[in-house]
Parts: sequence; C-alpha cells; structure tokens
Amino acid sequence: DAKTTQPTSMDCAEGRAANLPCNHSTISGNEYVYWYRQIHSQGPQYIIHGLKNNETNEMASLIITEDRKSSTLILPHATLRDTAVYYCIVILSGNTPLVFGKGTRLSVIA
Amino acid sequence: GAVVSQHPSWVICKSGTSVKIECRSLDFQATTMFWYRQFPKQSLMLMATSNEGSKATYEQGVEKDKFLINHASLTLSTLTVTSAHPEDSSFYICSASPYYGYTFGSGTRLTVV
Repeated sequence: DAKTTQPTSMDCAEGRAANLPCNHSTISGNEYVYWYRQIHSQGPQYIIHGLKNNETNEMASLIITEDRKSSTLILPHATLRDTAVYYCIVILSGNTPLVFGKGTRLSVIA
Repeated sequence: GAVVSQHPSWVICKSGTSVKIECRSLDFQATTMFWYRQFPKQSLMLMATSNEGSKATYEQGVEKDKFLINHASLTLSTLTVTSAHPEDSSFYICSASPYYGYTFGSGTRLTVV
C-alpha cells in the first residue's frame, strides 16, 4: 500500500472550513484514498473515501488531484467536536487491513 | 450502517491473569476481522488478522501465544491476552470490513496492575 504524508498538527477556528492535506505520491491506479478520524479514547470513525473523483457526504468533502498524488479533506464548518486525529490511508479495496500513519491532530478553537 | 460492537469498554486485571475481549459484527457477516493496539499518544498498530474458521495471521513482533485470537463464527472474534503484564496495558481496537470501507469497535482500555 502506498505511504501517506500528513502534517503533524493543524488549528482551525470554529465555524471555519478545515482543510487537511495528504500526500500519496506513490499511489497506484486501483488504490483508494480513505479518511478516518479518532476522537480521544474512541475507535476510528469513517469519514469518506474516493478513487479518482471528488466526493462529498454529510460529514466532509474529499478533493483528489488529477494525478491522484495528493488529496484534501474539507470539513466545511468545523465545530469543537471535530477536534480529533485525522488519518489519510491509501489501500486496495478488499480484506487487507488499514495501516495507520501518525495522522494530523486537528484542534478546533473557539 | 454497519456496526462493530466491542466489549468490555475497559477492564482492570491483575498481573498474571488472562483477559478476553470480544468483537462482534452486529448487522453483517465478517469473515475477516482485524485487531489493533494503541499506546498513549501513538497511532494504531495492527496486531493480527482474524479469519473465520482458520488461524489468525499475526504481525511481526506480536506473540501469538500471548495474544490468542479465536474467530469461531462469522460475527464474533475474540482476543485473549494471556498472563497479562503491566506492559500489556493499552487500548485494543477491533475492525471489520462490511460491503465497503472499514468499521471499528469502540475499543477496550486494558489496565494491568
């Protein structure tokens, strides 16, 4: 599975959009980009995933560059409850396990 | 949506005893489940892949005789920490893959005293 690179930490003002970048320059054509987040002392929570096209759901938007070497997770209106560690993971679909990097610690500030 | 239930949420045990953690897929069948361990301020580390009806596959450095995994049905996998020691104190999390994506349990905080 391709490796990912994320900033260690980010701050975001409450109510503003949080844009979390992820580099995955070695991604292969059939690998998906998944985003999860982990709030302190809880199991990871699925946010969104995509292959080539941009995706949007009730939680977030995922913007994948045309060359697929990077992506950005957008939380449109961050709240204090969005404070968490966000993980970007690249993986083939199927029964292979997710391998977690260090993620980005997002702090939403009032 | 797909739900994975994990029990107990937390457990305190004495050094030398064994602890069993259960992971259940509530509304889907899971032929494969994954077990992770997380130490404070660190990321999740994959321990093993649990396969229904067959032996688990352990990651390098994980002692299979210490961390016993049983996946006896399509909805239940258990992790037993045998002869627990204080260094086994950690946050243990299970995961399964339904139709798409991966769903995680809420985790088990194990404290060995």
